Amino acid sequence: EAQVTQNPRYLITVTGKKLTVTCSQNMNHEYMSWYRQDPGLGLRQIYYSMNVEVTDKGDVPEGYKVSRKEKRNFPLILESPSPNQTSLYFCASSLSGLINEQFFGPGTRLTVL
Amino acid sequence: AQSVTQLGSHVSVSEGALVLLRCNYSSSVPPYLFWYVQYPNQGLQLLLKYTSAATLVKGINGFEAEFKKSETSFHLTKPSAHMSDAAEYFCAVSREIRDDKIIFGKGTRLHILP
Repeated sequence: EAQVTQNPRYLITVTGKKLTVTCSQNMNHEYMSWYRQDPGLGLRQIYYSMNVEVTDKGDVPEGYKVSRKEKRNFPLILESPSPNQTSLYFCASSLSGLINEQFFGPGTRLTVL
Repeated sequence: AQSVTQLGSHVSVSEGALVLLRCNYSSSVPPYLFWYVQYPNQGLQLLLKYTSAATLVKGINGFEAEFKKSETSFHLTKPSAHMSDAAEYFCAVSREIRDDKIIFGKGTRLHILP
């Protein structure tokens, strides 16, 4: 089944404890992206990647890191999480850029205490 | 920089009535415009997209949207609402020159009244 998977789906952590949220797609997509969703703010793009080894900042990259060493994986890294990063995170992928449909993962709900 | 404004964070319509969700983008003509839908506890799903091929765009589930350059609008409509249309809807726009960065509106939650 073609899909975007995220792990974990739920995470409660404490300030400053490094964490990684994994994202994987099995559709051989070139484009991958991370978003955070907050009530009243909609979705905001954190980072995106047009292809392997190519990443770029979205609108809210502060406090996040990403890497794209393999085509299928695009992990989101929070080196020192803070409470303002408590949010619902979505990973998405598309065949090649935004002209193609983005497929979204199920989301990861992160709480930073 | 591109921006997107969705008028009304909540919209209620009766089952069978017209659905109209409003979206305005900033004045520069964007390459692509999108409408996404999010059902409860799910990720987003693409409803339709405008890529300059036609100003009236038809999407899934009976939705359509019309690109109006003079009004900088991309409103979403559906002739007859179903209970299953209850969800949150997001308008989005791509960056002007390249298609790699996307800006979402804040969303409109659609309520369907029986």
